[in-house]
Amino acid sequence: DAGVTQSPTHLIKTRGQQVTLRCSPKSGHDTVSWYQQALGQGPQFIFQYYEEEERQRGNFPDRFSGHQFPNYSSELNVNALLLGDSALYLCASSLEGRGNTEAFFGQGTRLTVV
Amino acid sequence: AQSVAQPEDQVNVAEGNPLTVKCTYSVSGNPYLFWYVQYPNRGLQFLLKYITGDNLVKGSYGFEAEFNKSQTSFHLKKPSALVSDSALYFCAVRDPPGGYNKLIFGAGTRLAVHP
Repeated sequence: DAGVTQSPTHLIKTRGQQVTLRCSPKSGHDTVSWYQQALGQGPQFIFQYYEEEERQRGNFPDRFSGHQFPNYSSELNVNALLLGDSALYLCASSLEGRGNTEAFFGQGTRLTVV
Repeated sequence: AQSVAQPEDQVNVAEGNPLTVKCTYSVSGNPYLFWYVQYPNRGLQFLLKYITGDNLVKGSYGFEAEFNKSQTSFHLKKPSALVSDSALYFCAVRDPPGGYNKLIFGAGTRLAVHP
């Protein structure tokens, strides 16, 4: 049973560029959440997708956007990259309707903006 | 708003000794609490959760946690630490408690187990 997979594992981008990160949820899961983990900090919630729609959003600017596909996989897009966007981006999947279940995380994508 | 606090940046313990990693919470309603562990250059691995029921929750790798409502705490414990337990530990709370799976994390506690 494949867990949550993210690609790429590492990425280096230049300020002002755009980036797309990808996530495949754990088999059987239908909800995907994205988190940003800056160095030395806990993960911060960016947004969550369910049924191909953004359902919740954290305190992140509109430069951060996402998408969920019919197969439940998801993308995180960040436009106009800033140096401060450098972080580990984590994808988590869970199963809607199972309110007492935990979220499973991928290994993350390390984004470096130079 | 829901929140958790991890008062210790780092915990040092000798191998074979018991360990405790502290977490306190602030929530409205009944809390849904979680512990995750992060090894270097890796994502988060689920350890255990408290939703309801017994205050002592048992999880993966011999870890357990005690939910204390009066002290609003959810401390992670292990009777005998291993060097391989050295990692970054995060306490988290679901926001809102019974709602979608959005997690609010603490800042993390680095556990160092010395041989």
